[in-house]
Amino acid sequence: DAGVTQSPTHLIKTRGQQVTLRCSPKSGHDTVSWYQQALGQGPQFIFQYYEEEERQRGNFPDRFSGHQFPNYSSELNVNALLLGDSALYLCASSLYGLEAFFGQGTRLTVV
Amino acid sequence: EDQVTQSPEALRLQEGESSSLNCSYTVSGLRGLFWYRQDPGKGPEFLFTLYSAGEEKEKERLKATLTKKESFLHITAPKPEDSATYLCAVQETSGSRLTFGEGTQLTVNP
Repeated sequence: DAGVTQSPTHLIKTRGQQVTLRCSPKSGHDTVSWYQQALGQGPQFIFQYYEEEERQRGNFPDRFSGHQFPNYSSELNVNALLLGDSALYLCASSLYGLEAFFGQGTRLTVV
Repeated sequence: EDQVTQSPEALRLQEGESSSLNCSYTVSGLRGLFWYRQDPGKGPEFLFTLYSAGEEKEKERLKATLTKKESFLHITAPKPEDSATYLCAVQETSGSRLTFGEGTQLTVNP
């Protein structure tokens, strides 16, 4: 079992650019959630996808959007990047939204 | 709004020195309380889920307990490889999002 996989592992972008992060859930899982973790902080919930629809959303602006594909994989898109968007972006998968297992994360640096 | 507070922020122990980490929470209806371990630059690693007050779970040197207002993660005779940040999160009955605390950074010295 490969677990939750995320790509890329590291990314450097310029302020104002757009970025897409990708996540493949653990085998058998149907729900994908995205979290943002700033250095020294706990993860903050961005949104959750189930059956290709956004089911819950945290307190993040519309610049953050996502998608879930029929194979349950997911993408996180961030437009008009700000310096404050620099963080570790975590994907978590679960079955029916229960126990969540996390990927290794994507470290995004905005310069 | 759900709130999770972890204490202490940082804890240094000598190898073999047992201690406990605290997680206090406020939630409208608790579906589950989760403990994760996170190594620097890595994603959180699932440890335990607790669902009801009085429940306890153990894994190697770790034991998690739950009351109606807080959870404890007890570490018995820790080893240097137990050094990590331990995160607590709650999930409420109305949804499946996790609300995390800020974590406790544990360092175990040999």
